[in-house]
Amino acid sequence: SQQGEEDPQALSIQEGENATMNCSYKTSINNLQWYRQNSGRGLVHLILIRSNEREKHSGRLRVTLDTSKKSSSLLITASRAADTASYFCATGETSGSRLTFGEGTQLTVNP
Amino acid sequence: EPEVTQTPSHQVTQMGQEVILRCVPISNHLYFYWYRQILGQKVEFLVSFYNNEISEKSEIFDDQFSVERPDGSNFTLKIRSTKLEDSAMYFCATFDGGSPLHFGNGTRLTVT
Repeated sequence: SQQGEEDPQALSIQEGENATMNCSYKTSINNLQWYRQNSGRGLVHLILIRSNEREKHSGRLRVTLDTSKKSSSLLITASRAADTASYFCATGETSGSRLTFGEGTQLTVNP
Repeated sequence: EPEVTQTPSHQVTQMGQEVILRCVPISNHLYFYWYRQILGQKVEFLVSFYNNEISEKSEIFDDQFSVERPDGSNFTLKIRSTKLEDSAMYFCATFDGGSPLHFGNGTRLTVT
């Protein structure tokens, strides 16, 4: 596995369903972040979780971090068609250091 | 909310030509970064810049690339002699030392 590897690569669900995306990484980290990217657009920061945190919520987003397994998950509840986008995890070894991005999960929410 | 602004949004250039991509950071941010994303691939780190010097660079950031902050506001990425494989989205990001990185909307560079 590469640093910041997501699965699944693609996920297609119906509006109202929950979407879960997973990310694994290899090295020690200070923080793990999730970003969203609409097709051909910039990266929008969704949520940051630090290495000493296990779970974080923001609106319909829930992120978990398991440092013993070097993995994280992003849960989007009650999905909407507007959630259709690519979702990337990115790890930072220190605050402000380079981010290492994963391959991303392409989420499609069908109306 | 303050934004990172990148210009141009799309740049088309011929192989061998020089290009300069520009970024206007958020005003109180002191850490600056360039990332790139080749079409269909993941986002890759190029370089970080702090206190008017490069603080870290990746193996991608070879002698063809340079960064500077010429006038204290803009942050630029120059590619001296573009190659076909330089075609990508280039993202500028800035950081204030506390909150997460803020990314611009990117410049799509097409080298023909």
